[in-house]
Amino acid sequence: DVKVTQSSRYLVKRTGEKVFLECVQDMDHENMFWYRQDPGLGLRLIYFSYDVKMKEKGDIPEGYSVSREKKERFSLILESASTNQTSMYLCASSLRFGGNEQFFGPGTRLTVL
Amino acid sequence: KQEVTQIPAALSVPEGENLVLNCSFTDSAIYNLQWFRQDPGKGLTSLLLIQSSQREQTSGRLNASLDKSSGRSTLYIAASQPGDSATYLCAVAGGTSYGKLTFGQGTILTVHP
Repeated sequence: DVKVTQSSRYLVKRTGEKVFLECVQDMDHENMFWYRQDPGLGLRLIYFSYDVKMKEKGDIPEGYSVSREKKERFSLILESASTNQTSMYLCASSLRFGGNEQFFGPGTRLTVL
Repeated sequence: KQEVTQIPAALSVPEGENLVLNCSFTDSAIYNLQWFRQDPGKGLTSLLLIQSSQREQTSGRLNASLDKSSGRSTLYIAASQPGDSATYLCAVAGGTSYGKLTFGQGTILTVHP
């Protein structure tokens, strides 16, 4: 079974802090994705990566950056957290670009005070 | 820009009923369509993946169909159970941004005993 894990289920941070969300997958998937989920807005793609050190902006990249130094790990970075980044963050991975099933982690509920 | 719509937004049925959830998308140039289930506060669980060349996929009591030309998919749940209560999300990969999923808003399903 594919397993995607996220470093925290719940996280509380203060405005202006630098925040790291970590995602690890154990199935040697090339592609990894970060989404956020908000009531009324659904799931929106922030960034994705199709290989180590490769990244592409999604629909809402502003205020975020990512890092992929190893194939199994994809990090989402909030350079200076703001209250409008309070959300559920979901990480996903898939085997190859385009045609394969995406598997999701359990999510991180981030609250920025 | 791809848009995905799910109807109905919410559905409440008695246990044992067969039901259909609908998903429509505006750009028929897709690579695949995926149905997910999400329990409150949790991540997404992949239910079925239909490739663009396929017409349907089945898993247990679930059957998903795809009509790419008309931009529609349905998820059929047979003999519903209270444990099926969750939000069901439809997502498509493809168009001009292959690999990236565009999600519908979801259908909240409640199956009461």
